[in-house]
Amino acid sequence: GAGVSQSPSNKVTEKGKDVELRCDPISGHTALYWYRQSLGQGLEFLIYFQGNSAPDKSGLPSDRFSAERTGGSVSTLTIQRTQQEDSAVYLCASSSPTGVDTQYFGPGTRLTVL
Amino acid sequence: SQQGEEDPQALSIQEGENATMNCSYKTSINNLQWYRQNSGRGLVHLILIRSNEREKHSGRLRVTLDTSKKSSSLLITASRAADTASYFCATVRRGGNTDKLIFGTGTRLQVFP
Repeated sequence: GAGVSQSPSNKVTEKGKDVELRCDPISGHTALYWYRQSLGQGLEFLIYFQGNSAPDKSGLPSDRFSAERTGGSVSTLTIQRTQQEDSAVYLCASSSPTGVDTQYFGPGTRLTVL
Repeated sequence: SQQGEEDPQALSIQEGENATMNCSYKTSINNLQWYRQNSGRGLVHLILIRSNEREKHSGRLRVTLDTSKKSSSLLITASRAADTASYFCATVRRGGNTDKLIFGTGTRLQVFP
Protein backbone atom coordinates (compact mmCIF):
# COMPACT_ATOMS: atom_id res chain seq x y z
CA GLY A 1 0.00 0.00 0.00
CA ALA A 2 0.93 3.66 -0.02
CA GLY A 3 3.62 4.90 2.29
CA VAL A 4 3.60 7.91 4.58
CA SER A 5 2.88 11.09 2.67
CA GLN A 6 3.53 14.67 3.67
CA SER A 7 2.48 17.98 2.24
CA PRO A 8 3.65 20.39 1.15
CA SER A 9 7.06 19.10 0.15
CA ASN A 10 8.47 22.61 0.40
CA LYS A 11 7.18 25.66 2.20
CA VAL A 12 8.68 29.13 2.15
CA THR A 13 7.16 31.62 4.52
CA GLU A 14 7.89 34.98 6.04
CA LYS A 15 8.89 35.41 9.63
CA GLY A 16 5.86 35.83 11.84
CA LYS A 17 3.45 33.88 9.65
CA ASP A 18 1.74 30.65 10.71
CA VAL A 19 2.29 27.40 8.81
CA GLU A 20 0.53 24.05 8.75
CA LEU A 21 2.28 20.84 7.76
CA ARG A 22 0.30 17.72 6.99
CA CYS A 23 1.07 14.04 7.42
CA ASP A 24 -0.90 11.05 6.13
CA PRO A 25 0.35 7.92 7.87
CA ILE A 26 0.20 4.40 6.50
CA SER A 27 -3.32 3.03 6.81
CA GLY A 28 -3.71 1.00 9.99
CA HIS A 29 -0.71 2.50 11.72
CA THR A 30 -1.76 3.67 15.15
CA ALA A 31 1.45 5.47 16.09
CA LEU A 32 2.49 8.75 14.46
CA TYR A 33 5.60 10.78 15.15
CA TRP A 34 6.85 14.21 14.14
CA TYR A 35 10.56 15.00 14.01
CA ARG A 36 12.56 18.03 13.03
CA GLN A 37 15.90 17.92 11.29
CA SER A 38 18.02 21.01 10.99
CA LEU A 39 20.63 21.21 8.25
CA GLY A 40 23.33 18.58 8.72
CA GLN A 41 21.92 17.44 12.04
CA GLY A 42 20.21 14.37 13.42
CA LEU A 43 16.50 14.05 14.04
CA GLU A 44 14.89 15.85 16.94
CA PHE A 45 11.74 14.26 18.37
CA LEU A 46 8.79 16.65 18.55
CA ILE A 47 5.55 14.83 19.32
CA TYR A 48 4.06 11.34 19.36
CA PHE A 49 0.47 10.13 18.93
CA GLN A 50 -0.58 6.60 19.81
CA GLY A 51 -4.17 5.61 19.19
CA ASN A 52 -6.55 7.46 21.47
CA SER A 53 -3.97 8.11 24.17
CA ALA A 54 -2.93 11.61 25.11
CA PRO A 55 -0.07 12.68 22.85
CA ASP A 56 3.47 12.95 24.13
CA LYS A 57 4.33 16.58 23.48
CA SER A 58 7.57 16.56 25.41
CA GLY A 59 9.70 17.37 22.37
CA LEU A 60 7.89 20.48 21.21
CA PRO A 61 10.43 23.33 21.46
CA SER A 62 7.99 26.09 22.34
CA ASP A 63 4.29 26.86 22.70
CA ARG A 64 4.32 28.13 19.12
CA PHE A 65 4.33 24.47 18.07
CA SER A 66 1.22 22.33 18.25
CA ALA A 67 -0.08 19.22 16.54
CA GLU A 68 -3.37 17.47 16.09
CA ARG A 69 -4.32 14.05 14.86
CA THR A 70 -7.89 13.82 13.68
CA GLY A 71 -9.74 10.54 13.60
CA GLY A 72 -6.60 8.64 14.47
CA SER A 73 -5.21 9.18 10.99
CA VAL A 74 -4.10 12.46 9.43
CA SER A 75 -1.97 14.77 11.54
CA THR A 76 -1.27 18.48 11.22
CA LEU A 77 1.73 20.20 12.76
CA THR A 78 1.16 23.92 13.22
CA ILE A 79 3.88 26.46 13.84
CA GLN A 80 2.63 29.88 14.83
CA ARG A 81 4.56 33.12 14.41
CA THR A 82 7.39 31.36 12.62
CA GLN A 83 10.98 32.31 13.34
CA GLN A 84 14.06 31.84 11.18
CA GLU A 85 15.34 29.14 13.53
CA ASP A 86 12.23 27.10 12.66
CA SER A 87 13.73 26.49 9.21
CA ALA A 88 14.30 22.75 8.93
CA VAL A 89 12.95 19.57 7.39
CA TYR A 90 9.95 18.29 9.29
CA LEU A 91 9.59 14.54 9.08
CA CYS A 92 6.59 12.42 9.95
CA ALA A 93 6.72 8.71 10.67
CA SER A 94 4.21 6.03 11.55
CA SER A 95 4.42 2.55 12.96
CA SER A 96 2.05 -0.36 13.24
CA PRO A 97 0.51 -1.66 16.47
CA THR A 98 2.63 -4.79 16.26
CA GLY A 99 5.87 -3.24 15.10
CA VAL A 100 6.22 -0.08 17.12
CA ASP A 101 9.99 -0.14 16.97
CA THR A 102 10.18 0.19 13.19
CA GLN A 103 9.09 3.54 11.90
CA TYR A 104 8.17 4.37 8.33
CA PHE A 105 9.04 7.89 7.31
CA GLY A 106 7.46 10.30 4.91
CA PRO A 107 9.56 12.38 2.51
CA GLY A 108 9.43 15.40 4.78
CA THR A 109 8.48 19.04 4.40
CA ARG A 110 11.32 21.48 3.95
CA LEU A 111 10.35 24.70 5.73
CA THR A 112 12.23 27.91 5.02
CA VAL A 113 11.43 30.97 7.08
CA LEU A 114 12.71 34.18 5.51
CA SER B 1 21.62 15.22 24.45
CA GLN B 2 22.07 12.70 21.66
CA GLN B 3 21.46 9.11 22.68
CA GLY B 4 23.41 7.92 19.68
CA GLU B 5 26.66 9.28 18.39
CA GLU B 6 27.94 8.06 15.07
CA ASP B 7 31.47 8.18 13.84
CA PRO B 8 32.94 9.10 11.58
CA GLN B 9 30.81 12.13 10.79
CA ALA B 10 31.78 11.78 7.15
CA LEU B 11 33.31 8.97 5.12
CA SER B 12 34.48 8.94 1.50
CA ILE B 13 35.39 5.72 -0.27
CA GLN B 14 35.68 4.24 -3.74
CA GLU B 15 33.15 1.84 -5.21
CA GLY B 16 33.91 -1.72 -4.22
CA GLU B 17 35.43 -0.80 -0.89
CA ASN B 18 33.78 -1.58 2.43
CA ALA B 19 32.34 1.16 4.60
CA THR B 20 32.20 0.90 8.37
CA MET B 21 30.22 3.25 10.55
CA ASN B 22 30.06 3.17 14.32
CA CYS B 23 27.45 4.21 16.83
CA SER B 24 27.70 4.64 20.58
CA TYR B 25 24.82 5.12 22.96
CA LYS B 26 24.38 5.95 26.60
CA THR B 27 21.48 4.08 28.18
CA SER B 28 20.22 0.50 28.18
CA ILE B 29 18.39 -0.52 25.04
CA ASN B 30 15.96 -3.16 23.85
CA ASN B 31 17.14 -2.84 20.30
CA LEU B 32 19.16 -0.64 17.99
CA GLN B 33 18.25 0.29 14.46
CA TRP B 34 20.03 1.73 11.47
CA TYR B 35 18.35 4.06 9.03
CA ARG B 36 19.45 5.57 5.75
CA GLN B 37 18.60 9.04 4.49
CA ASN B 38 19.06 10.29 0.95
CA SER B 39 19.43 13.99 0.28
CA GLY B 40 18.08 15.14 3.62
CA ARG B 41 14.61 13.71 3.10
CA GLY B 42 12.75 10.68 4.41
CA LEU B 43 14.54 7.93 6.28
CA VAL B 44 14.44 4.29 5.31
CA HIS B 45 14.71 1.56 7.91
CA LEU B 46 17.63 -0.74 7.14
CA ILE B 47 18.02 -3.21 9.95
CA LEU B 48 17.11 -3.81 13.59
CA ILE B 49 19.28 -5.71 16.03
CA ARG B 50 17.96 -6.75 19.42
CA SER B 51 19.90 -6.44 22.63
CA ASN B 52 20.36 -10.22 22.87
CA GLU B 53 21.85 -10.40 19.39
CA ARG B 54 25.48 -9.76 18.58
CA GLU B 55 25.46 -9.74 14.79
CA LYS B 56 22.91 -9.53 12.04
CA HIS B 57 23.13 -9.60 8.24
CA SER B 58 20.91 -8.24 5.52
CA GLY B 59 22.27 -8.44 2.00
CA ARG B 60 25.46 -6.37 1.89
CA LEU B 61 24.81 -5.00 5.37
CA ARG B 62 26.31 -6.40 8.53
CA VAL B 63 25.45 -4.95 11.92
CA THR B 64 27.16 -5.80 15.18
CA LEU B 65 26.10 -4.89 18.68
CA ASP B 66 28.24 -4.84 21.81
CA THR B 67 26.01 -4.03 24.76
CA SER B 68 28.94 -4.09 27.20
CA LYS B 69 30.52 -1.21 25.28
CA LYS B 70 27.19 0.34 24.32
CA SER B 71 28.23 0.42 20.71
CA SER B 72 27.17 -0.84 17.30
CA SER B 73 28.71 -0.89 13.87
CA LEU B 74 27.25 -0.95 10.39
CA LEU B 75 29.35 -2.48 7.64
CA ILE B 76 28.42 -2.05 4.00
CA THR B 77 30.40 -4.45 1.85
CA ALA B 78 31.31 -3.94 -1.80
CA SER B 79 29.93 -0.40 -1.75
CA ARG B 80 28.21 1.19 -4.72
CA ALA B 81 27.75 4.80 -5.73
CA ALA B 82 24.05 4.34 -4.93
CA ASP B 83 25.00 3.74 -1.28
CA THR B 84 25.86 7.44 -1.01
CA ALA B 85 23.61 8.73 1.78
CA SER B 86 23.56 9.60 5.47
CA TYR B 87 23.28 6.72 7.90
CA PHE B 88 21.77 7.06 11.37
CA CYS B 89 21.59 4.73 14.30
CA ALA B 90 18.57 4.94 16.56
CA THR B 91 17.60 3.44 19.88
CA VAL B 92 14.20 3.11 21.44
CA ARG B 93 13.63 5.01 24.63
CA ARG B 94 10.61 3.73 26.47
CA GLY B 95 8.98 6.23 28.75
CA GLY B 96 5.37 6.46 29.88
CA ASN B 97 3.27 5.70 26.86
CA THR B 98 5.90 6.70 24.35
CA ASP B 99 8.38 4.61 22.45
CA LYS B 100 10.65 7.32 21.12
CA LEU B 101 13.35 6.67 18.59
CA ILE B 102 16.40 8.65 19.61
CA PHE B 103 18.65 9.28 16.64
CA GLY B 104 22.34 9.98 16.43
CA THR B 105 23.78 12.77 14.34
CA GLY B 106 24.59 10.48 11.44
CA THR B 107 27.48 9.52 9.18
CA ARG B 108 27.54 11.03 5.71
CA LEU B 109 28.85 8.39 3.30
CA GLN B 110 30.11 9.34 -0.14
CA VAL B 111 30.93 6.51 -2.55
CA PHE B 112 32.84 7.57 -5.64
CA PRO B 113 32.39 5.58 -8.86
